[in-house]
Amino acid sequence: AQTVTQSQPEMSVQEAETVTLSCTYDTSESDYYLFWYKQPPSRQMILVIRQEAYKQQNATENRFSVNFQKAAKSFSLKISDSQLGDAAMYFCAYIGGNQFYFGTGTSLTVIP
Amino acid sequence: SQTIHQWPATLVQPVGSPLSLECTVEGTSNPNLYWYRQAAGRGLQLLFYSVGIGQISSEVPQNLSASRPQDRQFILSSKKLLLSDSGFYLCAWERLVFYGYTFGSGTRLTVV
Repeated sequence: AQTVTQSQPEMSVQEAETVTLSCTYDTSESDYYLFWYKQPPSRQMILVIRQEAYKQQNATENRFSVNFQKAAKSFSLKISDSQLGDAAMYFCAYIGGNQFYFGTGTSLTVIP
Repeated sequence: SQTIHQWPATLVQPVGSPLSLECTVEGTSNPNLYWYRQAAGRGLQLLFYSVGIGQISSEVPQNLSASRPQDRQFILSSKKLLLSDSGFYLCAWERLVFYGYTFGSGTRLTVV
């Protein structure tokens, strides 16, 4: 069964510093997609970044980048130069069999 | 461009009353549509998904039902609300899985 695990319920980072959020998943598929979503206090879910499993190159979107380790089934999110607006719940997600599997989320606090 | 609308944003309903939440997508055709529920401080629970008009798959047997009367309209209903139905409900759509979900702004439902 596909599962997504986020082992850090809460994280904090100083403004302008870098933080890494962890995510591991379990799958027997060889081709799949991984995503990070951000849910700010407004609770709107926003797609931050996505990674195709067949691509070895790590995805980047401005200050957001991932460390995708396919063999280890790890998909961590790095936020550089953290800003106050980055404070949110972050969800890791895997898609397999046309369904999304979400992790339980990591609540990120940004300290001014 | 594609947009997703979800309403109402907030709803307070007494136990035993009916429920109807609506979600519509614009700018695309034949989207896959999803209803998720998020309890306070918790992850996302898939409730229903639909790959076409009249085609509804239920993930969790419960007090809720869903319908898709039109291609881009997805409705979440209940005949009699329970206290346990309280939560944050999110509608989402996707055209092609590797692009990820696009979420609506959500409905905060409180059953009193």
